[in-house]
Amino acid sequence: QQQVKQSPQSLIVQKGGISIINCAYENTAFDYFPWYQQFPGKGPALLIAIRPDVSEKKEGRFTISFNKSAKQFSLHIMDSQPGDSATYFCAALTDKLIFGTGTRLQVFP
Amino acid sequence: DAGVTQSPTHLIKTRGQQVTLRCSPISGHKSVSWYQQVLGQGPQFIFQYYEKEERGRGNFPDRFSARQFPNYSSELNVNALLLGDSALYLCASSLWGGGLEKLFFGSGTQLSVL
Repeated sequence: QQQVKQSPQSLIVQKGGISIINCAYENTAFDYFPWYQQFPGKGPALLIAIRPDVSEKKEGRFTISFNKSAKQFSLHIMDSQPGDSATYFCAALTDKLIFGTGTRLQVFP
Repeated sequence: DAGVTQSPTHLIKTRGQQVTLRCSPISGHKSVSWYQQVLGQGPQFIFQYYEKEERGRGNFPDRFSARQFPNYSSELNVNALLLGDSALYLCASSLWGGGLEKLFFGSGTQLSVL
């Protein structure tokens, strides 16, 4: 019940395309849903986050869509760039942060 | 401003040994959390410390312990190392104990157990 399931495991997108990563959870006590971006050799960095009382949040090219009834949320990266190539983790928070298993995104020119 | 700093960056140990990993939080941050990231997986929560007190503990054996010092730096200790302890150990800091919404991670210590 404390798990956050993430898909796909890997994603290849052409430059300018849309990258979509999906996550699902079971525990309704989660009250904050961040996305982290991790480059090789670095720790994860907070990218964007949403609370369950909001259905969508947009920051630049990054958008989170949140479906509370389905207990699902997703990250959309518009106009994907080679610099976006990284591993992306969804996460959910109660008294601790629970991470998904990660999606390795590769954006080709 | 310096971010979260961890030392050492890489470490090689053998089974049964003990290891100590160190973390300095961002200046002004009073809470430190430790995570284990196995290759190809998401980080898993080990401990959170705030004002030198343990605030949370993940599902890890008692071989794992930690402490936080008056200057808010922290150490993670792992005893009786197993091959399965090989992972990237991440430290994250936040302003206060409940400030997990804004976690700032260091680059980690890569531990290899042979």
